[in-house]
Amino acid sequence: DAEITQSPRHKITETGRQVTLACHQTWNHNNMFWYRQDLGHGLRLIHYSYGVQDTNKGEVSDGYSVSRSNTEDLPLTLESAASSQTSVYFCASSESMSDEQYFGPGTRLTVT
Amino acid sequence: QKEVEQDPGPLSVPEGAIVSLNCTYSNSAFQYFMWYRQYSRKGPELLMYTYSSGNKEDGRFTAQVDKSSKYISLFIRDSQPSDSATYLCAMSSFNTDKLIFGTGTRLQVFP
Repeated sequence: DAEITQSPRHKITETGRQVTLACHQTWNHNNMFWYRQDLGHGLRLIHYSYGVQDTNKGEVSDGYSVSRSNTEDLPLTLESAASSQTSVYFCASSESMSDEQYFGPGTRLTVT
Repeated sequence: QKEVEQDPGPLSVPEGAIVSLNCTYSNSAFQYFMWYRQYSRKGPELLMYTYSSGNKEDGRFTAQVDKSSKYISLFIRDSQPSDSATYLCAMSSFNTDKLIFGTGTRLQVFP
């Protein structure tokens, strides 16, 4: 069955370190998204991609970057982790922009 | 003011109750309306999808959209303890490429 996976599921890192969160989908979807979820804010869009070599900034993109070298993967990089980036991160993919988004299980990131 | 407003709850109801979950929004261009269910420590999963106005029913779940009032609802009939989760509304418009999510309402159904 097609699926979307994220790794690691839990990560603790120190302020200032570079961190990369992996997202892999086997739906063969062109559209992929990264969100963060925080109490009181719900899901907020960080970056998204329409396809290979395409990336776009979302609502809360400062301090994050993504690259899309193939259809299946959209890694999210925190250039220099900050305590404000402690959150749960979700990756999602969809066939088209108005379609259902399929979410991964999430990565719980703690920046100390 | 947020584009999508949703009461965070928590909402606690007895098993068998009818549950009403709601969202209001400000962007009249929204045409696609979704409800996602999120269990604790899991990713959201699509529960209901509605295009434009009207009602949609799927088993115990009914989604309702009132575009004139910019108000959407999710009704759960005969609620079960397994319905205990956070419910997020989400919406988008024809010419946008992003889903806008509500903050989510936490629902607890007790036996």
